[in-house]
Amino acid sequence: AQTVTQSQPEMSVQEAETVTLSCTYDTSENNYYLFWYKQPPSRQMILVIRQEAYKQQNATENRFSVNFQKAAKSFSLKISDSQLGDTAMYFCASLIMNRDDKIIFGKGTRLHILP
Amino acid sequence: GAVVSQHPSRVICKSGTSVKIECRSLDFQATTMFWYRQFPKQSLMLMATSNEGSKATYEQGVEKDKFLINHASLTLSTLTVTSAHPEDSSFYICSASIGASGYNEQFFGPGTRLTVL
Repeated sequence: AQTVTQSQPEMSVQEAETVTLSCTYDTSENNYYLFWYKQPPSRQMILVIRQEAYKQQNATENRFSVNFQKAAKSFSLKISDSQLGDTAMYFCASLIMNRDDKIIFGKGTRLHILP
Repeated sequence: GAVVSQHPSRVICKSGTSVKIECRSLDFQATTMFWYRQFPKQSLMLMATSNEGSKATYEQGVEKDKFLINHASLTLSTLTVTSAHPEDSSFYICSASIGASGYNEQFFGPGTRLTVL
């Protein structure tokens, strides 16, 4: 079974600080993708970052980076120099290749950036 | 990036009526479209996957006669909630993917808020 677990329902950090959101996943497959999506108050889903499982190098996108630990099935998101606009729900998700492109989402972490 | 639209953005209807939600890929042809349901403060739950010209594949526990999905073209999929009841009130999100092989990025619509009175 394909599962994604986010153990932090809610977090708050001060603006400009660094914050790490945790995610673990479970799959028996070798060929998969992992994602972090952001859902701001507008409810529009925004892809933050993507990691291919076969790549050892951690993905980075500007202030966003991941710590991908394949053996531990861990996929955390680090937001550096957090900004007020980062306030949102963050969903960790996985997609198994050749499985109809289904994305399985975790329950989400609500992140508040405090001024 | 590719743009996906949904219409309407919000709808209020009476119990027992049917509601149709449209999902369009505006600047690309989508081989596959997905429909999700999101309850307040919860995650997205996949309801069904639809491919153009073929029947939708529903997830376990989703009533196919309740949630009718039509994917008539490469740019349009519709979700019809038939005989809606208050428990069907939710936020419905569609996504569309490009390509037929390999990794296909999904692009999400802005969602439709359905309220059944």
